[in-house]
Amino acid sequence: DIQMTQSPSSLSASVGDRVTITCQASQDISNYLNWYQQKPGKAPKLLIYDASNLETGVPSRFSGSGSGTDFTFTISSLQPEDIATYYCQQYDNLPPGRITFGPGTKVDIK
Amino acid sequence: QVQLVESGGGVVQPGGSLRLSCAASGFTFSSYGMHWVRQAPGKGLEWVAFIRYDGSNKYYADSVKGRFTISRDNSKNTLYLQMNSLRAEDTAVYYCAKEGWSWGQGTLVTVSS
Repeated sequence: DIQMTQSPSSLSASVGDRVTITCQASQDISNYLNWYQQKPGKAPKLLIYDASNLETGVPSRFSGSGSGTDFTFTISSLQPEDIATYYCQQYDNLPPGRITFGPGTKVDIK
Repeated sequence: QVQLVESGGGVVQPGGSLRLSCAASGFTFSSYGMHWVRQAPGKGLEWVAFIRYDGSNKYYADSVKGRFTISRDNSKNTLYLQMNSLRAEDTAVYYCAKEGWSWGQGTLVTVSS
């Protein structure tokens, strides 16, 4: 199975800061990567699909980049409502199963 | 809009069984594959199973293979997860998700004596 690593595991930043999270796959997954936001007690919410495409309705301060094994998720200007845990997810494996998630990055306000 | 509502969670003893349901609305259910994903308390997300739009193929995580069965009834717009031989480590919130990754709100399964 493809393993996903994320760093950092947690971070504290100030409102308005630029925040960057990285995700690395154990093998080439092309651009088959999603990014999610999860707030406590809520279901995950898809923010970025296919590594760099912004889901409809998601604020433009969120962005993603990368391909192959190395990916980056960025919040250009951190807002108080962005406090959450962020997960990357790969879906490269065929047949369409064997989906794996990164361990998550908890983001809070300094 | 897409709505997915899970039900059927609860407390069950180790070795017991439980069937989860996911009622879908707001989209053509019979045209989309569906997933189950779980999250143990305080832990990350774990993909559990996937079923193709017509039920023709099913895929499972190794951790549940042989114990869990995913199925669907397209006439009822409902997805199911039959969970047998439950273990303490199956304790989690179980989410259903539509291909394309819209998620339900989850249902909690607790395996405990």
